[in-house]
Amino acid sequence: DQQVKQNSPSLSVQEGRISILNCDYTNSMFDYFLWYKKYPAEGPTFLISISSIKDKNEDGRFTVFLNKSAKHLSLHIVPSQPGDSAVYFCAAGTYSSASKIIFGSGTRLSIRP
Amino acid sequence: DADVTQTPRNRITKTGKRIMLECSQTKGHDRMYWYRQDPGLGLRLIYYSFDVKDINKGEISDGYSVSRQAQAKFSLSLESAIPNQTALYFCATSDLGWSGYTFGSGTRLTVV
Repeated sequence: DQQVKQNSPSLSVQEGRISILNCDYTNSMFDYFLWYKKYPAEGPTFLISISSIKDKNEDGRFTVFLNKSAKHLSLHIVPSQPGDSAVYFCAAGTYSSASKIIFGSGTRLSIRP
Repeated sequence: DADVTQTPRNRITKTGKRIMLECSQTKGHDRMYWYRQDPGLGLRLIYYSFDVKDINKGEISDGYSVSRQAQAKFSLSLESAIPNQTALYFCATSDLGWSGYTFGSGTRLTVV
């Protein structure tokens, strides 16, 4: 049973437009959420995170929104750039167990010219 | 030099062979992890270690073992490799806080 789900395996967005990547979770104990970005032949790199005490966190072009009641988070990228083409992993964990982060299956984002 | 180095980068091995994947880090982090990535399944935790004397099983530890030789080194072994262990393996480190993981570049393992 996947505790963190990314139901869209892929997404194609035109350059300059907004990219929205979605993630759902089932474990209500999760209180910390992260997004990672992965290029081919490289390891995932940390992108942005959000604590459950917030509903929004922004870092430049990247904004993560958290809806606790719906157990849903999303990553918005505005404007989308060619270098944003990558696989994005949603992840979640608990402060009490910072040792184990649960990852989603990833969404491949392609930015087209 | 990379903060987290994995060797080898690619490996093809035969069913039944023993193989070791190595990971070393210069981050000074106490916590180290081994994950595997399979298409459609994301990253799944195999083993993790909080310090040299601490080893813990993750969600998919069967068929794997680990050794934490030093704070900076954490190796993953497949005692008798099987084809469904063909995957991309990642080592990661973290500190005590929530600054996120630092991943290595991965080892692509193929068991034939």
